[in-house]
Amino acid sequence: TQLLEQSPQFLSIQEGENLTVYCNSSSVFSSLQWYRQEPGEGPVLLVTVVTGGEVKKLKRLTFQFGDARKDSSLHITAAQPGDTGLYLCASADSWGKLQFGAGTQVVVTP
Amino acid sequence: EAGVAQSPRYKIIEKRQSVAFWCNPISGHATLYWYQQILGQGPKLLIQFQNNGVVDDSQLPKDRFSAERLKGVDSTLKIQPAKLEDSAVYLCASSLKRGNTGTQYFGPGTRLLVL
Repeated sequence: TQLLEQSPQFLSIQEGENLTVYCNSSSVFSSLQWYRQEPGEGPVLLVTVVTGGEVKKLKRLTFQFGDARKDSSLHITAAQPGDTGLYLCASADSWGKLQFGAGTQVVVTP
Repeated sequence: EAGVAQSPRYKIIEKRQSVAFWCNPISGHATLYWYQQILGQGPKLLIQFQNNGVVDDSQLPKDRFSAERLKGVDSTLKIQPAKLEDSAVYLCASSLKRGNTGTQYFGPGTRLLVL
């Protein structure tokens, strides 16, 4: 079982600020997914990264996958209240089995 | 396109009682998953179905949990008898195909509180 560590556990920022959350593992990811989960809802897939060094952008969200494929980061530029949620990273094996980290709770206040 | 449906949304029971959750996946999705999400943790896979067959139930506490997916569509997850530590959100997800290229779509979950 691959253990995923996410940091920080909790992040509270003002609207307009930038933030970065991290996901690390002691072993190599075959692929890594980032999800956002809002209160009372299930997680929603944001992105999948597969190649070491890969960078993907989704509007104000930038996802980086480490060269060694053991770490990943999610950077949000000019955060908005709508970005509030629990950000989860998950490793996916070739069968589609997901192993989730504990998540980073992000709160963006107006 | 309708999403993954789950019911009930909330359930409160006393320990040692039984409870059942229902999931209706997205139409045409062959793979169905049940996850347990304890407060402050990420979801943990309990069981994975491919059509009506089980492909992974290694983390399902089989002494008290059971799940079935008759006819390869809807699924039910049952806990009998419930323990205090079963308090969690139970998430159902489905994907069109198995494997890491099949996006999993999650339902809203059933929040269970065991007193």
